[in-house]
Amino acid sequence: QSALTQPASVSGSPGQSITISCTGTSSDVGGYNYVSWYQQHPGKAPKLMIYEVSNRPSGVSNRFSGSKSGNTASLTISGLQAEDEADYYCSSYTTSSTWVFGGGTKLTVL
Amino acid sequence: EVQLVESGGGLVQPGRSLRLSCTASGFTFGDFAMSWVRQAPGKGLEWVSFIRSKAYGGTTEYAASVRGRFTISRDDSKSIAYLQMNSLKTEDTAIYYCARAGTTVTRGGDYWGQGTLVTVSS
Repeated sequence: QSALTQPASVSGSPGQSITISCTGTSSDVGGYNYVSWYQQHPGKAPKLMIYEVSNRPSGVSNRFSGSKSGNTASLTISGLQAEDEADYYCSSYTTSSTWVFGGGTKLTVL
Repeated sequence: EVQLVESGGGLVQPGRSLRLSCTASGFTFGDFAMSWVRQAPGKGLEWVSFIRSKAYGGTTEYAASVRGRFTISRDDSKSIAYLQMNSLKTEDTAIYYCARAGTTVTRGGDYWGQGTLVTVSS
């Protein structure tokens, strides 16, 4: 199972919106609505931000939203804040009953 | 409050074994699947394994990179998930996180521990 494809880095200014893409195949992203997104600050454990493509866990800001089209999922962060600077990973359940992660995207808030 | 605490990491020589533990609290452990995810130094997340709850057969799945060497198990009476790692390789060096994986493993990991570092080196 190959890793999902994410851009290595994205950046934006405070208040702006950014979108991170996550491209897989019909065996993972395209096969189910089981895409998750995680935020990881340096030295910290990952935190679930989005599950099942577009659902936010309790306590996660509504500035975070998710979507999917075909084999590509996307995470959008609106109203960028300094605290959003982190690494972001997508993940998908697969047709082989496994999980697969993306390579990660470093978000820089300018 | 949901808490997951990993333990058992350390320095081990290639070819040797190590067992990691993930002690859970704050929820009904037996109702949830549990997963292990690792992160090599400076690298991204890599899924390792998960074990479903008894209600879903307690079945297990593994990444190809560890299949046949690692074994995941659970003791619902103690609220602990284990990862037995045999025939360790230098490329297994990573922080190992345990995560609660929902009832059907499809929602991803909603709670994570702080991780335990495993270093495989001679």
